[in-house]
Amino acid sequence: QKEVEQNSGPLSVPEGAIASLNCTYSDRVSQSFFWYRQYSGKSPELIMSIYSNGDKEDGRFTAQLNKASQYVSLLIRDSQPSDSATYLCAVNNFGNEKLTFGTGTRLTIIP
Amino acid sequence: SAVISQKPSRDICQRGTSLTIQCQVDSQVTMMFWYRQQPGQSLTLIATANQGSEATYESGFVIDKFPISRPNLTFSTLTVSNMSPEDSSIYLCSVEFVSSNTEAFFGQGTRLTVV
Repeated sequence: QKEVEQNSGPLSVPEGAIASLNCTYSDRVSQSFFWYRQYSGKSPELIMSIYSNGDKEDGRFTAQLNKASQYVSLLIRDSQPSDSATYLCAVNNFGNEKLTFGTGTRLTIIP
Repeated sequence: SAVISQKPSRDICQRGTSLTIQCQVDSQVTMMFWYRQQPGQSLTLIATANQGSEATYESGFVIDKFPISRPNLTFSTLTVSNMSPEDSSIYLCSVEFVSSNTEAFFGQGTRLTVV
């Protein structure tokens, strides 16, 4: 069983709509959760981090964490063509600084 | 914001040779890591670069193939040794800053092609 799982997509969303990206993880002791955006040919860029259950909003982005169900999601409101990228979910565990990455979801915003 | 400089940004190398990739940060970091990202794939951790001591390697990666140095808090190198075409990949340096609360940031990456 993969430690961090994401739907690889591609996920196509019309411009202006809400894009919803999901991630599940297998280790119940996971403590910190991150979303990275990676444009083709570029390195990953951190866009959201979340550490406790509930929602965390930053501009058009909302991260949601549910530790009981072991999932974390990213919502992108008012999607723009510039949001087209691969989104990587990453998790680390208490006392362990290493990140475990999911395989990423490729998102395409359709104008 | 802090700058993570990784070089070279790309290289084409002959099989059997070695390439050393450098990662320089302009402020002190707590952790430095090296990742590999093969085409169309996610990131795989190669090793944690430990200051002044041997790196901690992940399963499937060995020091003889990927020697790593970290002489101080802001600089690390990864060498890809005795390269084969299977080593063609993007290699990424990642760091956690003292104030970043386990958030990790990446250098620009090194795109390596072995011919």
